[in-house]
Amino acid sequence: QVQLQESGPGLVKPSGTLSLTCAVSGDSISSANWWTWVRQPPGKGLEWIGEMYHTGSTNYNPSLTSRVTISVDKSKNLFSLRLRSVTAADTAVYYCARRYTGYDYLDYWGLGTLVTVSS
Amino acid sequence: QSVLTQPPSVSGAPGQKVTISCTGTSSNLGAGFDVHWYRQLPGTAPTLLIYDNNNRPSGVPDRFSGSKSGTSASLDITGLQAEDEADYYCQSYDTSLTGSVFGGGTRLTVL
Repeated sequence: QVQLQESGPGLVKPSGTLSLTCAVSGDSISSANWWTWVRQPPGKGLEWIGEMYHTGSTNYNPSLTSRVTISVDKSKNLFSLRLRSVTAADTAVYYCARRYTGYDYLDYWGLGTLVTVSS
Repeated sequence: QSVLTQPPSVSGAPGQKVTISCTGTSSNLGAGFDVHWYRQLPGTAPTLLIYDNNNRPSGVPDRFSGSKSGTSASLDITGLQAEDEADYYCQSYDTSLTGSVFGGGTRLTVL
């Protein structure tokens, strides 16, 4: 049973950096999957942030690419999200998810974690 | 403004059928990329409901079905039940954005 669990600070100051990790269990971070981040502002829809393959290949949402970095830690079987220069518009529930290589859908999701950007 | 367009809301009485539409463009659905559907119950994470246009993951009842044609896709839910009240999202791949795109979501209300 694949499980993903997000963790990180629930409050970030404006202009600061949002940092989250996603711990993966039941699968190897080095398997044939793209490890993905999706966010959902309160009361709004889903927004794809980006994804990373364990070899280091990444794809980012063009609207966020200048501020976002996704990385993988093979030793800890987890992947991370860093979003720089945050504003109130970055307040959202952040989800990590898995996309199997060769397919476009996200088959496993974490429970999500709310990050609020506020001073 | 989402890349994929869904109606904000649909409703139906218990036992009835509802259809949720998802309209894309020539850079996603029209380019031949598959559509996938997710259900999000209140306060929970989305879960995969339909993948590759019309396939159901294990455990999803056959009351849920999907289809795709050209730049449009739809999710049908028959035999509506109160537990079907949720937000539904379509998703695909977009060549212009070189990544996944979602619809704006549709809230289903069971009357």
